[in-house]
Amino acid sequence: DSGVTQTPKHLITATGQRVTLRCSPRSGDLSVYWYQQSLDQGLQFLIQYYNGEERAKGNILERFSAQQFPDLHSELNLSSLELGDSALYFCASSVLGGNEQFFGPGTRLTVL
Amino acid sequence: AQSVTQLGSHVSVSEGALVLLRCNYSSSVPPYLFWYVQYPNQGLQLLLKYTTGATLVKGINGFEAEFKKSETSFHLTKPSAHMSDAAEYFCAVSPNTGGFKTIFGAGTRLFVKA
Repeated sequence: DSGVTQTPKHLITATGQRVTLRCSPRSGDLSVYWYQQSLDQGLQFLIQYYNGEERAKGNILERFSAQQFPDLHSELNLSSLELGDSALYFCASSVLGGNEQFFGPGTRLTVL
Repeated sequence: AQSVTQLGSHVSVSEGALVLLRCNYSSSVPPYLFWYVQYPNQGLQLLLKYTTGATLVKGINGFEAEFKKSETSFHLTKPSAHMSDAAEYFCAVSPNTGGFKTIFGAGTRLFVKA
């Protein structure tokens, strides 16, 4: 158990819909990262927050957004969902940026 | 700028054989280097890391890696493969200056044959 929690574990929805994925980092970790993992694209870095502020952006679509709240939990919002958005979404946390990351168990999103 | 290259998207070894997973990096500043492992339907977990000091780093499950600055490599090895080592392995690099970006390699899937 990494100490990072993600909810929900599974999510099934339809195209065009909007979903929110939630992540609680390890106690004391200030940095939160979001990743998308699919068979064809592999592990893709989406976005990173540090103590509530956006710090790095990767291959995140404009339909996707994220935020980190004062209690340090983070949410990833995915809107206008497409079939290709079906993937595993991981959250990770670290004490500071650049340190080893601790990954949550992931949310498996299926868009039908 | 940093980048990571993992040579070989798939590696197959026999049980008991040497495991060698290759990772080369580029970094404009001294790097921190990591190996992560991902078992099916799980998140990634840290195997080992190099920050400073001894260049041969030992990790969990009998894995080790050696930081070779002259070769810009951080290859992962294990003397004797077990069936339970079958997983995907990711090499990652971040700057040791406290930067915020960690770059992951594309991953290498390890198959272990009985």
